[in-house]
Amino acid sequence: ELKVEQNPLFLSMQEGKNYTIYCNYSTTSDRLYWYRQDPGKSLESLFVLLSNGAVKQEGRLMASLDTKARLSTLHITAAVHDLSATYFCAVGGNDMRFGAGTRLTVKP
Amino acid sequence: GAVVSQHPSWVICKSGTSVKIECRSLDFQATTMFWYRQFPKQSLMLMATSNEGSKATYEQGVEKDKFLINHASLTLSTLTVTSAHPEDSSFYICSATGLAGRFEQYFGPGTRLTVT
Repeated sequence: ELKVEQNPLFLSMQEGKNYTIYCNYSTTSDRLYWYRQDPGKSLESLFVLLSNGAVKQEGRLMASLDTKARLSTLHITAAVHDLSATYFCAVGGNDMRFGAGTRLTVKP
Repeated sequence: GAVVSQHPSWVICKSGTSVKIECRSLDFQATTMFWYRQFPKQSLMLMATSNEGSKATYEQGVEKDKFLINHASLTLSTLTVTSAHPEDSSFYICSATGLAGRFEQYFGPGTRLTVT
């Protein structure tokens, strides 16, 4: 069974700092997603990564995928308060499995 | 494109009653729809997958007689929570695939169910 592990689960960082969230998964998959969830809201799609070595960037967020290591990273550059949210990675197709989520708090 | 709606956005019901949640794909035909449940401060757990006109496939541990799923058309799926109990209180999120040339799941805004 596909298992997805995310770490850290909680992340408190100061504005302007950089940090990386990690997502490991247990079985081969050609689809990895990153989502953002604000309190009380549904999921907002951030990135879809489909191939080994894929790298995508949007603003202060950059996601990468290493299918050989079964690892994806979400890198935050120069964090701002607006990035405070919970970030999920998810792997798979119709049998999508989510990581536990990383609750990010960016403090002034 | 790829908008998924849910109705209602929140509902409060009494223990023992049933409640129906609708999930609609507004601008595309959804070949497959998914239902997820999310407890507070937890991740999303897939409950079931449904294809239009066929029976839903439930994940292990999900009671099919309690969570009735109907995917009657290519734009509508419903989840009925029967004989609801307080432990069924949760955030229910649907998603859909089927947008031409795209395989991603598009998520609805969610329905918060509170059973008193």
